[in-house]
Amino acid sequence: SQQGEEDPQALSIQEGENATMNCSYKTSINNLQWYRQNSGRGLVHLILIRSNEREKHSGRLRVTLDTSKKSSSLLITASRAADTASYFCATRSLSGGYNKLIFGAGTRLAVHP
Amino acid sequence: EPEVTQTPSHQVTQMGQEVILRCVPISNHLYFYWYRQILGQKVEFLVSFYNNEISEKSEIFDDQFSVERPDGSNFTLKIRSTKLEDSAMYFCASSDWRGAAQTQYFGPGTRLLVL
Repeated sequence: SQQGEEDPQALSIQEGENATMNCSYKTSINNLQWYRQNSGRGLVHLILIRSNEREKHSGRLRVTLDTSKKSSSLLITASRAADTASYFCATRSLSGGYNKLIFGAGTRLAVHP
Repeated sequence: EPEVTQTPSHQVTQMGQEVILRCVPISNHLYFYWYRQILGQKVEFLVSFYNNEISEKSEIFDDQFSVERPDGSNFTLKIRSTKLEDSAMYFCASSDWRGAAQTQYFGPGTRLLVL
């Protein structure tokens, strides 16, 4: 089974619009993290939400976590062309392999000027 | 702001050769990780390292791979005899004393190409 699956796989929007990306996972988690990756570059940490949190904000980012549905969403408000990147969710499991992050396949976001 | 650094940024090698990828984690961090990302695929966990020993490794991390913290600042990944399928972006990451319960900070990656 796949942990940390994002949808949509690709999202294309205009500057100023909001972008919402979703992530689902299968096992119980300690936390869920969102990362951004510009094409061919490193992973930039965006935000971490713990299993006992339901919502978190950071600037234009809003993350929600629903542990009953094993899902999370990342909302980027008032998007900019510079937000164009791939976005990944990554989960830290509660059991078996608690040291590692399990990444999803990512959502490729394109923000057009 | 402190960051994880990695060298080299790109490495091209012949199949069967040994490569060493280097990382300098954030200075007060105690947990270190290697991940890889084959082009167009997910980021995959390879190994975690704490207190000078491997704390966890994935199925990918076979006998061809090894990690070392040779001094107080560097953290290396060695691939003894590279295969074509080892071509990937390799990311080093580190987290502080609270371990994987906290944010893992990633370096910019080393792009390895095995010919």
